Amino acid sequence: ETGVTQSPTHLIKTRGQQVTLRCSSQSGHNTVSWYQQALGQGPQFIFQYYREEENGRGNFPPRFSGLQFPNYSSELNVNALELDDSALYLCASSYQTSGRRNEQYFGPGTRLTVT
Amino acid sequence: QKEVEQDPGPLSVPEGAIVSLNCTYSNSAFQYFMWYRQYSRKGPELLMYTYSSGNKEDGRFTAQVDKSSKYISLFIRDSQPSDSATYLCAIPAGNMLTFGGGTRLMVKP
Repeated sequence: ETGVTQSPTHLIKTRGQQVTLRCSSQSGHNTVSWYQQALGQGPQFIFQYYREEENGRGNFPPRFSGLQFPNYSSELNVNALELDDSALYLCASSYQTSGRRNEQYFGPGTRLTVT
Repeated sequence: QKEVEQDPGPLSVPEGAIVSLNCTYSNSAFQYFMWYRQYSRKGPELLMYTYSSGNKEDGRFTAQVDKSSKYISLFIRDSQPSDSATYLCAIPAGNMLTFGGGTRLMVKP
């Protein structure tokens, strides 16, 4: 177990609604990244937060937004939900260094179903 | 062309077999390479990472990188039913990890 926790475990929402997912990072880590994993595919990078600011973003629209708090925990918010947003949402924590290894440790994920 | 490509499988082998899982990548600037294991309905778990070319061994697992061919491999010796999972190769690119699509492995007793 990595020590990264996510809540809730499962969520069912209706198209057009808004959702907030939460993540607590591993002790000693200062960076949180969010990924979307559709069924049968690899995770796709949404964005990363470091020192409470967005620190890189993948190819996701602005209705995907986030926050990082002083204790390094994080939220992912998705507005105007679409059916294609149904996926496993993964949070990964890491310790930001000048090296390029970028080891990220994942939580168990939140499975979002949009109907 | 995707930056990281992986055969989706599924790959089915008998217990005790040697398993070879592979990825190809397109960007020759990549230096670090990682393998994650993901059990059904769980988050990915970091198995191994390697830097540049060569081999790295950890117990029954060996990661191999061939930068000239842009090809990375994970070998599992003496495979066990508990190795049944999806294996994801991942490459750090800036702040993000770029993943392959994953290969589903089934080890049958």
